[in-house]
Amino acid sequence: QKEVEQDPGPLSVPEGAIVSLNCTYSNSAFQYFMWYRQYSRKGPELLMYTYSSGNKEDGRFTAQVDKSSKYISLFIRDSQPSDSATYLCAMSGKTGYALNFGKGTSLLVTP
Amino acid sequence: DSGVTQTPKHLITATGQRVTLRCSPRSGDLSVYWYQQSLDQGLQFLIQYYNGEERAKGNILERFSAQQFPDLHSELNLSSLELGDSALYFCASSVEGAADTQYFGPGTRLTVL
Repeated sequence: QKEVEQDPGPLSVPEGAIVSLNCTYSNSAFQYFMWYRQYSRKGPELLMYTYSSGNKEDGRFTAQVDKSSKYISLFIRDSQPSDSATYLCAMSGKTGYALNFGKGTSLLVTP
Repeated sequence: DSGVTQTPKHLITATGQRVTLRCSPRSGDLSVYWYQQSLDQGLQFLIQYYNGEERAKGNILERFSAQQFPDLHSELNLSSLELGDSALYFCASSVEGAADTQYFGPGTRLTVL
């Protein structure tokens, strides 16, 4: 079993919908949680960074971490076709060390 | 643009050959990480350097090696290449601190024929 599990999708939603992306993990030592967006054949781009539990909001994006359930989420409000990409969750137990990635969820936002 | 640069963008080579991938981190970042991304395995951590010293190793094969130079750029050397080594190779960099995060380069796409 991988340490980080993520549904690969694909997830298809109409423009303007609220998107919910999720990851589960098994290592209780993880404290640092990130979401990356990756367009086809490009490098992952950091979207959100959260330390420990709680919520963080940045524009249309909200990241949630529930350490008790070992579950993290990314919500995208008012989704746009330009949000179509693969979304990768990542996490680590110590700052400055390697990230453990989910396999990514492919999102398609249709006009 | 993340500020991390990688060369070359594409590499096509034959089995048994050796290649070198190069990465320049963002200005001020001391840590460099190498990741491999394949369709079936996703993003896998290979190795990390911090200020010239190896800090951590992940799922890196013995045929692969890396180093970080005094100017902080890093090279990943892949030898005795096999078909299964075909993948995207990403470099990321970070600066340490209370909220360090990793910024990824555009990647090198390696095709082994």
